[in-house]
Amino acid sequence: NAGVTQTPKFQVLKTGQSMTLQCAQDMNHEYMSWYRQDPGMGLRLIHYSVGAGITDQGEVPNGYNVSRSTTEDFPLRLLSAAPSQTSVYFCASSPMHRVRGTNEKLFFGSGTQLSVL
Amino acid sequence: DAKTTQPPSMDCAEGRAANLPCNHSTISGNEYVYWYRQIHSQGPQYIIHGLKNNETNEMASLIITEDRKSSTLILPHATLRDTAVYYCIVRVESNFNKFYFGSGTKLNVKP
Repeated sequence: NAGVTQTPKFQVLKTGQSMTLQCAQDMNHEYMSWYRQDPGMGLRLIHYSVGAGITDQGEVPNGYNVSRSTTEDFPLRLLSAAPSQTSVYFCASSPMHRVRGTNEKLFFGSGTQLSVL
Repeated sequence: DAKTTQPPSMDCAEGRAANLPCNHSTISGNEYVYWYRQIHSQGPQYIIHGLKNNETNEMASLIITEDRKSSTLILPHATLRDTAVYYCIVRVESNFNKFYFGSGTKLNVKP
């Protein structure tokens, strides 16, 4: 299994450009999420999804859109990039078993480093 | 969701045990304590989690106080490769696995 795969690993954008960060997982996890990490800080939740067709906002959703058409994929779209969106972006997934505490771990991708000039 | 408090940094000698504390004084009964670490700029890596009882796995031990207001992650024999930022996270089961990361503790393992 590949786990959680993020592409691209690096990206440079100009202000106002749009792009989509890709995230795919092959573990059949219901839950997927996007985080951003600014230098020297912890991760902040952008958006998350608990299944195909279901998404919701996290802590810092402004400037980002998501959709979940399949269980495997959870792309993150920047409609009009701004310098404040320069960050490292992590995608994560988790099963959502109903038995408490079992296998409920977040699995992270290796990240996308985004610079907006 | 309960918030966590961790020291910003700690040092540990190689081969010695590293004890990383975490305060979560507002934790409620259905919240689990998770520990993750992040080596350099890689994606965070799961270490261990628990609810009430102490837990041990191949990576570490987790000690949770009886009142559940604090916990300690123990790396029994720290190596240079354990140098990383360690995050203590409290998760509410009903929030469908939303994990809230703070600033973590930077553990420096020194030779």
